[in-house]
Amino acid sequence: AQSVTQPDIHITVSEGASLELRCNYSYGATPYLFWYVQSPGQGLQLLLKYFSGDTLVQGIKGFEAEFKRSQSSFNLRKPSVHWSDAAEYFCAVGDGGSQGNLIFGKGTKLSVKP
Amino acid sequence: DTGVSQDPRHKITKRGQNVTFRCDPISEHNRLYWYRQTLGQGPEFLTYFQNEAQLEKSRLLSDRFSAERPKGSFSTLEIQRTEQGDSAMYLCASSRRGQATNEKLFFGSGTQLSVL
Repeated sequence: AQSVTQPDIHITVSEGASLELRCNYSYGATPYLFWYVQSPGQGLQLLLKYFSGDTLVQGIKGFEAEFKRSQSSFNLRKPSVHWSDAAEYFCAVGDGGSQGNLIFGKGTKLSVKP
Repeated sequence: DTGVSQDPRHKITKRGQNVTFRCDPISEHNRLYWYRQTLGQGPEFLTYFQNEAQLEKSRLLSDRFSAERPKGSFSTLEIQRTEQGDSAMYLCASSRRGQATNEKLFFGSGTQLSVL
């Protein structure tokens, strides 16, 4: 069965520091992978997605993620975090039938220290 | 483009009562999705519509849950005989059907249900 694991429940980084959020997936075939961000009181917003091709994917707000098949990982990175990045981040996997039928991880809450 | 709208924002009900939520997708979006999100968890897919047709439904979804999208525009999600375990945030998302690689979901802010 498909599954997504986000090992870190809560991460705190200083503003300006780099960020890496971990995501591991379990899926039999080549997965479709997504990162979403959820800010308080706002809807989920797609940061980036991987379907095929270049394993380094660029997204919005300066985020990127790298698909590593050998490690079953799709980690999210940002070189310099801004205070406005504080939010909850969800990794998700799908089979591409419809982009909404996804398996989400439990999320990682990001706090940013001034 | 006014975004995905969900109503109400909050709903408090007593166990055993029926509740109904509404989702208005972005105009001309023909796909509409419902999810449930409990505290400390990621969203869980419930069901989705393409136009008025309900194409997928989670096998984990209780028979007490039903969703409709009668004219292919807004959708309603009804929960009958609510239980305390139904307490959650119910999210709606919409998209325009296209190539799978191009489809992008837009989420509403959700309806928070509390069952007492």
